[in-house]
Amino acid sequence: GAGVSQSPSNKVTEKGKDVELRCDPISGHTALYWYRQSLGQGLEFLIYFQGNSAPDKSGLPSDRFSAERTGGSVSTLTIQRTQQEDSAVYLCASRPSRGAGDEQYFGPGTRLTVT
Amino acid sequence: EDKVVQSPLSLVVHEGDTVTLNCSYEVTNFRSLLWYKQEKKAPTFLFMLTSCGIEKKSGRLSSILDKKELFSILNITATQTGDSVIYLCANAGGTSYGKLTFGQGTILTVHP
Repeated sequence: GAGVSQSPSNKVTEKGKDVELRCDPISGHTALYWYRQSLGQGLEFLIYFQGNSAPDKSGLPSDRFSAERTGGSVSTLTIQRTQQEDSAVYLCASRPSRGAGDEQYFGPGTRLTVT
Repeated sequence: EDKVVQSPLSLVVHEGDTVTLNCSYEVTNFRSLLWYKQEKKAPTFLFMLTSCGIEKKSGRLSSILDKKELFSILNITATQTGDSVIYLCANAGGTSYGKLTFGQGTILTVHP
């Protein structure tokens, strides 16, 4: 079946602008995660959605970052007033359900460049 | 704070060599240790390890977990140039269910 999809694949924006990144998880997956990967670094957890539960926002680096998940499916990560240090690849992942294994399935990512 | 450390950070070998990649971790409420490979942007799942001493194997790749010493290794035998990607180790545990804590990754380069 279809995997996790993300859009756009690349985004170049000017410092101070807002950006929205989109993630479509695998159909039926109840858990959705956002990670960030800066150049030469491992993945950094940002936020986690599980079904209708309140999201775990503990990884969001500042209040300029927010995310929502509508209808238990599509998620949007919003970065307001972008800064150059926000430049990174933003990866979305999904997982079937709370009782399933821990493996997460990743999308192709959005490469964000803030100029 | 949960932590995953991989070594080496980069490795250069020749085709046919065998490589061993290392991953050590510190985590509360350990559930599993996962290996991914990353070719361009999307990490691709390789193995999930939950039990100590039981080897997982897929083709030329294998991995094992030592829960007592808190580490895992990923072995690749008869390396090929197509194995030249980043290998990521991640730990599932901690206080947020399902959140993965990743290491920095090992960049493997296989020369012909």
